[in-house]
Amino acid sequence: QQQVKQSPQSLIVQKGGISIINCAYENTAFDYFPWYQQFPGKGPALLIAIRPDVSEKKEGRFTISFNKSAKQFSLHIMDSQPGDSATYFCAAVSGGYQKVTFGTGTKLQVIP
Amino acid sequence: GAGVSQSPSNKVTEKGKDVELRCDPISGHTALYWYRQSLGQGLEFLIYFQGNSAPDKSGLPSDRFSAERTGGSVSTLTIQRTQQEDSAVYLCASSPPPGTVKYFGAGTRLSVL
Repeated sequence: QQQVKQSPQSLIVQKGGISIINCAYENTAFDYFPWYQQFPGKGPALLIAIRPDVSEKKEGRFTISFNKSAKQFSLHIMDSQPGDSATYFCAAVSGGYQKVTFGTGTKLQVIP
Repeated sequence: GAGVSQSPSNKVTEKGKDVELRCDPISGHTALYWYRQSLGQGLEFLIYFQGNSAPDKSGLPSDRFSAERTGGSVSTLTIQRTQQEDSAVYLCASSPPPGTVKYFGAGTRLSVL
């Protein structure tokens, strides 16, 4: 049972374009939604996160949009760069000890 | 070290053998997590430690899998009688309280032949 559904599985974007990755969840107990970036051979790294009481959070070129009623959230990467090429995981957190449930990942390739 | 350290980085073993994977968390981090990442898949939760106790072992796939943590620091994930389906990257993460998982190690790539 996939608790956090992520799409697309892979994405190719031209340099300077906007990369958009979408996620959806069912469990209303989730109360924190982080995104992770993973480069080959490395562990995931926390990129940006949002709580469900806000609809948008922006950090530099990275923006999370959150739709609580639809139980959907998305990551937008503005002015995408080749260095952004990585696998991105959305996630959802619940429980007092911050258990993280991950999506299946999106492999992003930004071409020059 | 400054980050989460895992060893070995790669492990090749024969089916039926036991393996031990080690995780050194960031000093002072009381929470420690093990995840498994199979090729092309997301991260599958295995077990969570708070200090030396494991309040959530719900992700361990079978009784061949066990983990312990000592001194509130180093953790070892043990897989007995390894099977080919155990082949994956095993990731460890640690976190200070409170807060979500931020810091992952680079993982141990396990290959069971």
